[in-house]
Amino acid sequence: DAGVTQSPTHLIKTRGQQVTLRCSPKSGHDTVSWYQQALGQGPQFIFQYYEEEERQRGNFPDRFSGHQFPNYSSELNVNALLLGDSALYLCASSAFRGEGNQPQHFGDGTRLSIL
Amino acid sequence: AQTVTQSQPEMSVQEAETVTLSCTYDTSESDYYLFWYKQPPSRQMILVIRQEAYKQQNATENRFSVNFQKAAKSFSLKISDSQLGDAAMYFCAYRSFYTGANSKLTFGKGITLSVRP
Repeated sequence: DAGVTQSPTHLIKTRGQQVTLRCSPKSGHDTVSWYQQALGQGPQFIFQYYEEEERQRGNFPDRFSGHQFPNYSSELNVNALLLGDSALYLCASSAFRGEGNQPQHFGDGTRLSIL
Repeated sequence: AQTVTQSQPEMSVQEAETVTLSCTYDTSESDYYLFWYKQPPSRQMILVIRQEAYKQQNATENRFSVNFQKAAKSFSLKISDSQLGDAAMYFCAYRSFYTGANSKLTFGKGITLSVRP
């Protein structure tokens, strides 16, 4: 049973560039959430996708956008990269109709470094 | 908005001993879920234990247990018989009950636990 998979593992970009991160949810899950984790900090919620629509959004600028595909996989896009975007980006999946106490399952993350 | 506070940035414990990690939170909701996640250097966030706010009984999972004090909005994690593999960053997280299983998680800043052999 494959868990949440993210690609790439590590990415280096320069300021002003654009980046796309990818996530495949755990088998049986249909909802994907994205979090940004700065070094030494807790993850911060970016947004969540279900049925190919953004359902919830955290306090992140419009430079952060996403997409969900019919197979439930998801992409996170960040435009006009800033040095402050350097972080670990975590993807988490869950079942939309699941019990409230069910945890979100996390991937290993993508480490994004901005030069 | 809900907030989660972990005021201890680092803690250390001797192998086989017991350690307690603290967490407080602030919310105006009466029903919610609380979680402790472990993040080892491999980076993957792993669920340690969960607690439903409407349950008075403290959750336990093998060597891990919580002390949930709803009135005080406190949710501490006790690790008994600490093992070297327990060394990791631990995060306390909150999730609203009303928006269900897919509500966002609100995390604390985390605490780094080291285990001395």
